[in-house]
Amino acid sequence: GESVGLHLPTLSVQEGDNSIINCAYSNSASDYFIWYKQESGKGPQFIIDIRSNMDKRQGQRVTVLLNKTVKHLSLQIAATQPGDSAVYFCAENRNSGYSTLTFGKGTMLLVSP
Amino acid sequence: DTGVSQDPRHKITKRGQNVTFRCDPISEHNRLYWYRQTLGQGPEFLTYFQNEAQLEKSRLLSDRFSAERPKGSFSTLEIQRTEQGDSAMYLCASSLKGHPTSTDTQYFGPGTRLTVL
Repeated sequence: GESVGLHLPTLSVQEGDNSIINCAYSNSASDYFIWYKQESGKGPQFIIDIRSNMDKRQGQRVTVLLNKTVKHLSLQIAATQPGDSAVYFCAENRNSGYSTLTFGKGTMLLVSP
Repeated sequence: DTGVSQDPRHKITKRGQNVTFRCDPISEHNRLYWYRQTLGQGPEFLTYFQNEAQLEKSRLLSDRFSAERPKGSFSTLEIQRTEQGDSAMYLCASSLKGHPTSTDTQYFGPGTRLTVL
C-alpha cells in the first residue's frame, strides 16, 4: 500500500556537523509534507513544512527539500547540536479532502558533543 | 502555555476497566485530532473533528473507542473494556483550517501514556 517511510533508522553525528534525514513517500496525491521532532516522552513538535508546489523551504538551521520526481523528502539540519537529538518523523497530508497525517517510522538522530 | 494540553499524562489501569482522556486544543483551532503511538512507531491516526463534527474515523478505532467534542472546544477519548493491546501513547493535535487551500498544520500535545495491566 501507499506509505511514508525513512531510509535510515539511526543517524549518529558529531556536534557541529550538518545532518541529513531522508524520507521516501509513495502517494503521488500527497500535496503537503511536514517534519516533526519527537523527544522521549513528549509529543511530536512541528519543525518545518513544505507544499508540493515548492522544492525547497528554509527555516532556522533547517531546510526541507522535496523532489517530487522521485518522491523524496529530506530534512537538513545545519550545525547540529546535542539538543537536536530526537526521533524525526516525516508526515504527508493530502490537503484536499481528508486532512489526516500519515507518518513514517522515524529516524533517531544522535548528536555527540 | 497556549499549546495543546492533555490530561492525564499517565494512566495505569487494569484490563477490562474504562478510561477517559481529555484534550484541550490551541484556542480557536477548529480541528482536533486523536492519534495513537506505540513504541518505535510513528503516530497512527484515529479520528478527527472539525468543530463539534466527527468527520473521519480510522478502522483502528474499534467500537470500544469513542470520541466526543461536544462544544467544539475540548475533546474526550474513551476506551471501554480496555485490553493490553490498548497500551500506547494517545496523542491529540489541533489545527486551524481556514481557507480550503490553506495548509492544515497540526500541533501536538504531550500525550497520555496508557498502560493496561
